[in-house]
Amino acid sequence: GAVVSQHPSRVICKSGTSVKIECRSLDFQATTMFWYRQFPKQSLMLMATSNEGSKATYEQGVEKDKFLINHASLTLSTLTVTSAHPEDSSFYICSAKPSTGGSSPLHFGNGTRLTVT
Amino acid sequence: GESVGLHLPTLSVQEGDNSIINCAYSNSASDYFIWYKQESGKGPQFIIDIRSNMDKRQGQRVTVLLNKTVKHLSLQIAATQPGDSAVYFCAENRGGATNKLIFGTGTLLAVQP
Repeated sequence: GAVVSQHPSRVICKSGTSVKIECRSLDFQATTMFWYRQFPKQSLMLMATSNEGSKATYEQGVEKDKFLINHASLTLSTLTVTSAHPEDSSFYICSAKPSTGGSSPLHFGNGTRLTVT
Repeated sequence: GESVGLHLPTLSVQEGDNSIINCAYSNSASDYFIWYKQESGKGPQFIIDIRSNMDKRQGQRVTVLLNKTVKHLSLQIAATQPGDSAVYFCAENRGGATNKLIFGTGTLLAVQP
């Protein structure tokens, strides 16, 4: 149980275009989802907290107008990288916490590899 | 800023030996800690967790030890297998209901056959 699915798993786009990444909780509802980015051989850096029905909370240094987050339902959050540039190339990972179940561990998706050419 | 860090970036062990991966954290307010395993190209996979009111917790082949006095966390893997080769991260939850996790720098565990 507690499966988190990300789509797409890989995407290549041209500089200046926008890319949308989906994060779905398949068998549970998640009021809160989290978006991370990870550069090669580095740790996961939290970008933002996605809250269903309200605005996302961004970490310091993360541009909210560049990384648009929408959490329109209890099972889906999307991250849109707008006007992507090569430096946005990274591994983007989402996680979700079940809305019920106390402090159960966060479950992670398998990530999206974004390459901007 | 505050962070969770690891002492060793890489750890090489022989198959069958026990592995110990260490982690230091800096926020004394953290009340919940998790170890994750990440294989290449995949998301983190939950291994084991521990609350700050405990100092030891055991799972299948894994044990997590928490020393709040020195803000140190360790993951012990018994009888390490080639399938254990991955990057291991500790993560801390700094309290509250948000479950915002801060990750450590990671340790690459390489199991030699």
